[in-house]
Amino acid sequence: DTEVTQTPKHLVMGMTNKKSLKCEQHMGHRAMYWYKQKAKKPPELMFVYSYEKLSINESVPSRFSPECPNSSLLNLHLHALQPEDSALYLCASSQGGTGGATGIYGYTFGSGTRLTVV
Amino acid sequence: AQKVTQAQTEISVVEKEDVTLDCVYETRDTTYYLFWYKQPPSGELVFLIRRNSFDEQNEISGRYSWNFQKSTSSFNFTITASQVVDSAVYFCALSEASGSARQLTFGSGTQLTVLP
Repeated sequence: DTEVTQTPKHLVMGMTNKKSLKCEQHMGHRAMYWYKQKAKKPPELMFVYSYEKLSINESVPSRFSPECPNSSLLNLHLHALQPEDSALYLCASSQGGTGGATGIYGYTFGSGTRLTVV
Repeated sequence: AQKVTQAQTEISVVEKEDVTLDCVYETRDTTYYLFWYKQPPSGELVFLIRRNSFDEQNEISGRYSWNFQKSTSSFNFTITASQVVDSAVYFCALSEASGSARQLTFGSGTQLTVLP
């Protein structure tokens, strides 16, 4: 299994809703990432988990709350989002955590969740 | 700080033409990794290639080829005999080996349109 699976593929939510994005991989990767991509822009890093611990938070607003329940799962909890948070949210994983040169191998992206906040 | 520049915002070619997408990077690390990804309209990022900074050999995979030149900090991507299915946004990305995270820094992307 060489895939990163993201659900749902599409999500429409109101500004008062609470929803969660899910990401799953079974490649034994120990680093997992959330990226945000606005239309016609490159992906931008939001969070990095290494061995189930949050190692990077790129100054993301608290209305985005990541969670890594185990080494195969990564969630992104959403609450009180704004319309400008509408974007494609991409999950990725890579081998061997984030330390050292080997951590980069196998870097794999999921197909993303296209989020619309209304 | 690392930086990736893709100066070509949009390129249009006619099918069967060759096209080169440029990528210039900046990094202070001696060990780093360069990537190319394809993003079709459906949105997923499709991995094309990864090169490490110690391997300057050019690579060919079918109609795709990559020219890595450390002297000019460039990692250019050429599609030979382009096809309509090659139409997509192409991103070049860089990851440094040092530091605490293996995040990818992406260039701004090049929208390639191949016309029939």
